[in-house]
Amino acid sequence: KNQVEQSPQSLIILEGKNCTLQCNYTVSPFSNLRWYKQDTGRGPVSLTIMTFSENTKSNGRYTATLDADTKQSSLHITASQLSDSASYICVVSRKAAGNKLTFGGGTRVLVKP
Amino acid sequence: SAVISQKPSRDICQRGTSLTIQCQVDSQVTMMFWYRQQPGQSLTLIATANQGSEATYESGFVIDKFPISRPNLTFSTLTVSNMSPEDSSIYLCSVARNQETQYFGPGTRLLVL
Repeated sequence: KNQVEQSPQSLIILEGKNCTLQCNYTVSPFSNLRWYKQDTGRGPVSLTIMTFSENTKSNGRYTATLDADTKQSSLHITASQLSDSASYICVVSRKAAGNKLTFGGGTRVLVKP
Repeated sequence: SAVISQKPSRDICQRGTSLTIQCQVDSQVTMMFWYRQQPGQSLTLIATANQGSEATYESGFVIDKFPISRPNLTFSTLTVSNMSPEDSSIYLCSVARNQETQYFGPGTRLLVL
C-alpha cells in the first residue's frame, strides 16, 4: 500500500533553535518527494522537491534530505523563527497514473519566543 | 510559479444547499486538481479537472456530489452539492504544468450548519 508517514505529529521549539522532521514512505514506483509548508488557513507552499538521484536540497533555512534506499526523508529547520510555525507536509509522487501525490499527515510545528 | 485565486475564501452554508467554488490561475496550466482537507487532516484528492471533458474522480467521490467544470486552461469550478455538516472542510485547487511541481491555491474554508 502506498503510504507516507510523518513524525512527530507535532512539536514545540524555542525561537532560534533547530529541529528535524521525519518522513517515511512506501510509495512505489517513486517519482519525487516534496516538502510543503502550510500556514493555518492557507494552501500548502512548496519548499523543496527531490528526485531519486538527489539526496539533499536547501531552501533558505530549510534543508531536506532523501535516502531513496531506506525510503526516508527529513526536513531540517535551522535557527527557527516565529514565522516557521506551520504544518509541514511530506508528499511523494508516484511514477504512474499521472504522477499522483500521496500526502503524509503533516507535522505541526509551533515556534515559541 | 503560478498565482492561484479561489472564490469564495470562506463561507457558511445551510445543509441541503449547494456552493460553487471558483479557481482562477494567472497562466495556462496543463493540470488542475481539487482537494479536500478536513479539520486536522491532510489533503485528499477529489478529482482531476479535465479541460473540455468530464473530470476524473477518485474513489469515494462522485460527480453528482462534486460536479466540476473546466471550460479552459486557466479556470475551474467545484460545486459541493446538497451539503451536510460532514462537508465542512477546506477545499483547495491546485495546478501543474508538468509532472514535477504542483501549486496550491489559498483554499476555501466551508462550514455547513
